Amino acid sequence: DTAVSQTPKYLVTQMGNDKSIKCEQNLGHDTMYWYKQDSKKFLKIMFSYNNKELIINETVPNRFSPKSPDKAHLNLHINSLELGDSAVYFCASSQDMTGGKTQYFGPGTRLLVL
Amino acid sequence: EDQVTQSPEALRLQEGESSSLNCSYTVSGLRGLFWYRQDPGKGPEFLFTLYSAGEEKEKERLKATLTKKESFLHITAPKPEDSATYLCAVQDSNYQLIWGAGTKLIIKP
Repeated sequence: DTAVSQTPKYLVTQMGNDKSIKCEQNLGHDTMYWYKQDSKKFLKIMFSYNNKELIINETVPNRFSPKSPDKAHLNLHINSLELGDSAVYFCASSQDMTGGKTQYFGPGTRLLVL
Repeated sequence: EDQVTQSPEALRLQEGESSSLNCSYTVSGLRGLFWYRQDPGKGPEFLFTLYSAGEEKEKERLKATLTKKESFLHITAPKPEDSATYLCAVQDSNYQLIWGAGTKLIIKP
């Protein structure tokens, strides 16, 4: 009965490779997010989708491309991975984008680029 | 610029020793202030949402309060299982969450 799930949990890869992270939520929420958490534990929003439509696209290299096939799924594809991409990536969802709505987080994907 | 600052960075307490964590913020058009708990290797877990100055919410040994400039997370008689990183976030007028760096709380038995 996991609310927000991500796969894989761990991802170790070489520089220059292309990889994808998948996210699914079974809460019936309209809005989904991708966050990056660096070694200092800061959570930074990368993307936000509302009903499959891109709403927020922070200053993120265009090597990162989100895809939302339906409102329950938001995948993250990363091209030409770099050392600095190593971090924990969290997917989250909320009922909608209006004020005060709680975001629910997945377990995270730990990406290590060698 | 919208900003969230949490203090202290880390806090070590003995079991049963009450204390408070601070979250100071500057934001245009606060729509909500959120407290989350994050255990090692896991995603943040929602604790509270506060919407306006003067509001308070409680859950077990935790109590969150809000003023116009800051929020406190009071922990009363903590237990070792309360050890975690506590994250604060504010939602601005554009509905974006701005996160603090967190306070790592360690409760020693």
